[in-house]
Amino acid sequence: NAGVMQNPRHLVRRRGQEARLRCSPMKGHSHVYWYRQLPEEGLKFMVYLQKENIIDESGMPKERFSAEFPKEGPSILRIQQVVRGDSAAYFCASSPGTSGSEQYFGPGTRLTVT
Amino acid sequence: AQTVTQSQPEMSVQEAETVTLSCTYDTSESDYYLFWYKQPPSRQMILVIRQEAYKQQNATENRFSVNFQKAAKSFSLKISDSQLGDAAMYFCAYRSKSSGDKLTFGTGTRLAVRP
Repeated sequence: NAGVMQNPRHLVRRRGQEARLRCSPMKGHSHVYWYRQLPEEGLKFMVYLQKENIIDESGMPKERFSAEFPKEGPSILRIQQVVRGDSAAYFCASSPGTSGSEQYFGPGTRLTVT
Repeated sequence: AQTVTQSQPEMSVQEAETVTLSCTYDTSESDYYLFWYKQPPSRQMILVIRQEAYKQQNATENRFSVNFQKAAKSFSLKISDSQLGDAAMYFCAYRSKSSGDKLTFGTGTRLAVRP
């Protein structure tokens, strides 16, 4: 059973470009979570999604950031018009969604904005 | 809102010795989960141990154990017989049972293991 997959592992974007980060949850998992880790800091929750639904986006910046988890395909975290402050590691986690179930993390995508 | 505090940015331990990493948290809830995650240089987040707040017995996983003091809102991690492979960042995390599944992380403790 493959783990949570994220791609790309490394992404370099110039200021003003768009960044698209992908997350494929573990087989059988229908819940996806995105977290951001700034350099030398802990992970900060961004958004929690189920298939075709955003459940909690309380950690998402109000502008430029969006997330989706379509019925088919991976979850996508999109950052429009990136700025240097968006440089961070973005982690995706998935769970089956049952009460008390664990979140399993992917290897992360390191975004560098030049 | 819940907060998690790790007051030790860095710790060091001699190989084969024991080390304790501290974590305190703030919550008004009575039932929740607490976790310790390990992040080695590969940056992969690895679950080390979890504790359910209603369980009085401290969780144990091989060389890893916790000291959960609910009244004091303290959740420390003890690593026994430290190994070189234990060197990593360690994050304490909180998860509510009643208000969503998101994890709230502390700022981490970097553990070095001296050979």
